[in-house]
Amino acid sequence: NAGVTQTPKFQVLKTGQSMTLQCAQDMNHNSMYWYRQDPGMGLRLIYYSASEGTTDKGEVPNGYNVSRLNKREFSLRLESAAPSQTSVYFCASEGTSGSGEQYFGPGTRLTVT
Amino acid sequence: QKEVEQNSGPLSVPEGAIASLNCTYSDRGSQSFFWYRQYSGKSPELIMSIYSNGDKEDGRFTAQLNKASQYVSLLIRDSQPSDSATYLCAEKRDSSYKLIFGSGTRLLVRP
Repeated sequence: NAGVTQTPKFQVLKTGQSMTLQCAQDMNHNSMYWYRQDPGMGLRLIYYSASEGTTDKGEVPNGYNVSRLNKREFSLRLESAAPSQTSVYFCASEGTSGSGEQYFGPGTRLTVT
Repeated sequence: QKEVEQNSGPLSVPEGAIASLNCTYSDRGSQSFFWYRQYSGKSPELIMSIYSNGDKEDGRFTAQLNKASQYVSLLIRDSQPSDSATYLCAEKRDSSYKLIFGSGTRLLVRP
């Protein structure tokens, strides 16, 4: 039982490049979330998926797209990376949808030069 | 005004003391509150949730909620150096899936 896994752990991109961050959970959770964490800013919600087949914008969705591929997997795509997207990205899943009790993956540290 | 406010710290306490971490929130519609702990370079993990006014105890941790004054606190008794981490406060409205996080308070427990 791995919980929530994320790949890659680290990534360096040049401005304008694209990439997809992968997230998977093996806890049979319905809800999944993508956050970014910047120094002094706390965690900010980018997108979430309340259940398979649905996605919704969070607080800071601009520059990102998501795909809920199936119940296990929720990916985050940066189409044209910008230096302002340099951050640590966390994926989370939630045992009871909407409970607020979330389990986080180990994170992806992304640098855009 | 940020929706969830925390003092960034660091809050420094000696080993064995009580650490008191505070959080205020601005939305009176908030119903559920959470404390997450985050070690440096690691991901957040849930340590406490509280939904009703009053105290909720779990081992060395006590969460306190006062909805009239719009604050939440976390007390850590018999603080240990292993408690040194950043503590994130979060709130949620019943109608929403979204958690709103504060920017966290860094706690340092001195041996």
